[in-house]
Amino acid sequence: GENVEQHPSTLSVQEGDSAVIKCTYSDSASNYFPWYKQELGKRPQLIIDIRSNVGEKKDQRIAVTLNKTAKHFSLHITETQPEDSAVYFCAAGENTGFQKLVFGTGTRLLVSP
Amino acid sequence: DTEVTQTPKHLVMGMTNKKSLKCEQHMGHRAMYWYKQKAKKPPELMFVYSYEKLSINESVPSRFSPECPNSSLLNLHLHALQPEDSALYLCASSQGIDRNTEAFFGQGTRLTVV
Repeated sequence: GENVEQHPSTLSVQEGDSAVIKCTYSDSASNYFPWYKQELGKRPQLIIDIRSNVGEKKDQRIAVTLNKTAKHFSLHITETQPEDSAVYFCAAGENTGFQKLVFGTGTRLLVSP
Repeated sequence: DTEVTQTPKHLVMGMTNKKSLKCEQHMGHRAMYWYKQKAKKPPELMFVYSYEKLSINESVPSRFSPECPNSSLLNLHLHALQPEDSALYLCASSQGIDRNTEAFFGQGTRLTVV
């Protein structure tokens, strides 16, 4: 089955800096790679996702890159703001109508003003 | 409406009790999911329903019994749970077609087994 590793487990940055979170996956059949943000006591919310036929995707301050050969993908947040502070989870799996996802262990991002 | 609604928000139950968690969405989504999330851990997939049929059971113990009465509702029936089953139970839904991938999570039911 799929195994997803995520690093770092915690990341502290100053407001305005960039933050990068990296994930690796094991199953070459995985074709869908979402990133979720979970604030304390709240539900996970999708912030960006990428399919295996795309190498990079950007949405304002957030971007995701995918390297299928190396089986790793990364989340890039630029111009970080205190409200970006949360736990971020990567996930990998198959999306064939419904999704079968395995989540990474999470990265706690703290953005200091 | 992009809401997935879960009830109750909190539940305390004894090991001999029977209880049910409920999940509802009115987005016309045809895939619905149950996840379990322990404190400071990622969500773990338990069950997937696609078009009201159970498509994935991730080797979940039989004391957890899912049910999908219709395309808007998803239940999780609980019986004879153990204290280690205490966790946040998250429901999610997605459209259920390949080209539209976003999954929406409910706010979860925080379950404590005593």
